[in-house]
Amino acid sequence: AQKVTQAQTEISVVEKEDVTLDCVYETRDTTYYLFWYKQPPSGELVFLIRRNSFDEQNEISGRYSWNFQKSTSSFNFTITASQVVDSAVYFCATSGSARQLTFGSGTQLTVLP
Amino acid sequence: SQTIHQWPATLVQPVGSPLSLECTVEGTSNPNLYWYRQAAGRGLQLLFYSVGIGQISSEVPQNLSASRPQDRQFILSSKKLLLSDSGFYLCAWSVSFAGGETQYFGPGTRLLVL
Repeated sequence: AQKVTQAQTEISVVEKEDVTLDCVYETRDTTYYLFWYKQPPSGELVFLIRRNSFDEQNEISGRYSWNFQKSTSSFNFTITASQVVDSAVYFCATSGSARQLTFGSGTQLTVLP
Repeated sequence: SQTIHQWPATLVQPVGSPLSLECTVEGTSNPNLYWYRQAAGRGLQLLFYSVGIGQISSEVPQNLSASRPQDRQFILSSKKLLLSDSGFYLCAWSVSFAGGETQYFGPGTRLLVL
């Protein structure tokens, strides 16, 4: 069985601060995938990134960056120079051979002006 | 480009009434389709998934059912709603390929059972 732990239930930062959202996963699959989704107040889950287990290269997309470390089973997400529009619930998820996504419980990020 | 629609957007129903939520996908063929429920407290629970017309897999035993009458249509139903069925229902689609798959979600339906 797979499990995703997002220990940070809520984070509050002031605009322009950097913030890192933690994600720790557990899986027995040798090939698996890791995801981050954003859920703004409107409710729709917005796909942000997918990483394959055999590719540990970190990724940067604008103000977003992701740090994948197999040794610690972590897939952390950093927002640089946060903005009010970044306020949302962020979900980390994993899938393996069974295809279905296993989600973490989410982190509520509030960016204050 | 692909788009996914869900309706209705919100729904208030009395206990014991029937339910029908619809999800349709445009711009892709033979997608995998999923129904999730998100109760208060944010956790996402997979309810059903389908890899083709008439093929439904249930993840959680409950009073809900799903059907896929057409390739890009996925319906969530109930004959008699319970209070515990209240929540936010999300439909998702994906396409499988050798490198895995990514699920894309619809706008969701907020259901309140009174």
